[in-house]
Order: sequence, then C-alpha cells, then structure tokens
Amino acid sequence: GEEVAQTPKHLVRGEGQKAKLYCAPIKGHSYVFWYQQVLKNEFKFLISFQNENVFDETGMPKERFSAKCLPNSPCSLEIQATKLEDSAVYFCASSQGGGLAVNEQFFGPGTRLTVL
Amino acid sequence: GENVEQHPSTLSVQEGDSAVIKCTYSDSASNYFPWYKQELGKRPQLIIDIRSNVGEKKDQRIAVTLNKTAKHFSLHITETQPEDSAVYFCAASTGGFKTIFGAGTRLFVKA
Repeated sequence: GEEVAQTPKHLVRGEGQKAKLYCAPIKGHSYVFWYQQVLKNEFKFLISFQNENVFDETGMPKERFSAKCLPNSPCSLEIQATKLEDSAVYFCASSQGGGLAVNEQFFGPGTRLTVL
Repeated sequence: GENVEQHPSTLSVQEGDSAVIKCTYSDSASNYFPWYKQELGKRPQLIIDIRSNVGEKKDQRIAVTLNKTAKHFSLHITETQPEDSAVYFCAASTGGFKTIFGAGTRLFVKA
C-alpha cells in the first residue's frame, strides 16, 4: 500500500492482559520502526527491523514487549501482562533505506492503547 | 545513552514572525536529522531533513541548519501562519536504524 497501516485504531485492556498491535509497512519498504508516544509528546524508540531481522531493540522493555516482522504478514508488537504505564499511542513507521541511504520514515496513524 | 534535547518546549509567535527551534544530540555517529510536524491527533509528518554532510537546507519558508562540531541543529520557520501551529519534533538517526526524538516544541501562531 501507499501508506503505513496500523490496526486496531484503539485498544483497551485490563491491567495484566495481553495486547497485540499490527503494522503493515508501505510496499517496498525494508525498514520498520516502532515508537511509543506518551501524553502526546515524548516519542520513545522501541525497535527497528530490516525486513524480518531485528536491527536495534535497545528501546524495548524485553521482559514484557516483543515484536516480529515475518514475511508476507503484518509486523506485530505484543505486550504481555500490560501495565497502566503502557497506556500510550504506538506508532509504526517504515522507510525505504537505511545505513548510508537512510531516508524519511513514513508514520502510520497509530494505535491508542488504554490500560485500565 | 543517546539523547536529543529540544528547546523551547513551547513557543508562541505572532503571525508573520519567525520561529526557531533548537536541538542538540549526543551520539556523534548520528548522520540523519529529520524534523516532523504533528498536528493534534494525527501522525507525525516529515517537513524537512538534513544529512550530516550538509550544513544548511531550505524549502520555501522552512530551513534547517546543522553544526556537526557542536552537535547542534535548528529549525527556522519564516513568515509563520496559523496553520503552522502544531508540535514539532527534531530527531537524530544513526544509520536509520535507531532514531531518537526530542521532546517536542508546541508552536502557537497567533493571528
């Protein structure tokens, strides 16, 4: 597609429940990124992929967060045992190049996760 | 760890005036510096970017300058209009694999 797609738009979970978010990057883009935005500011980098390979996951709270980008499937971000502080908008972005050819990241519309 | 500081957090200007937002970064390996505009409830959109081999770039009313020695880059918006009101984020990217964002600047342009 021509835009990054994210589903669902909104997700409500009780504390301790699992949450799974999906992202379809723009066709032809090899790089996928996940960010967490809390309180409409503070974009926090979570993880990046080059195709199905994790490239940088230094932003991920690994004990509860996991992510995958498998061939022919949307990428996913999963949070096990959600906590109140996980409430945020999660943005996915994709880009065509990386390394020396790094260029613009195109953002999806975001998934608003509310943990009650 | 890597960090990007952005100032000011809020900026209010009169329509027609200029607005300047400044960022500093810590990772000397950063080689790509995008600026995003985010309107309320919407996704961030790229407005201008600069690579580490360039000192300045301009696109109509928007310009960005980069000082690699000082690890400092700035966004300049001239002749501001009410539709420029939004939150602006700077970012520093290392090879495109990890992008660190500043905390954002809420710009208000008063008509």
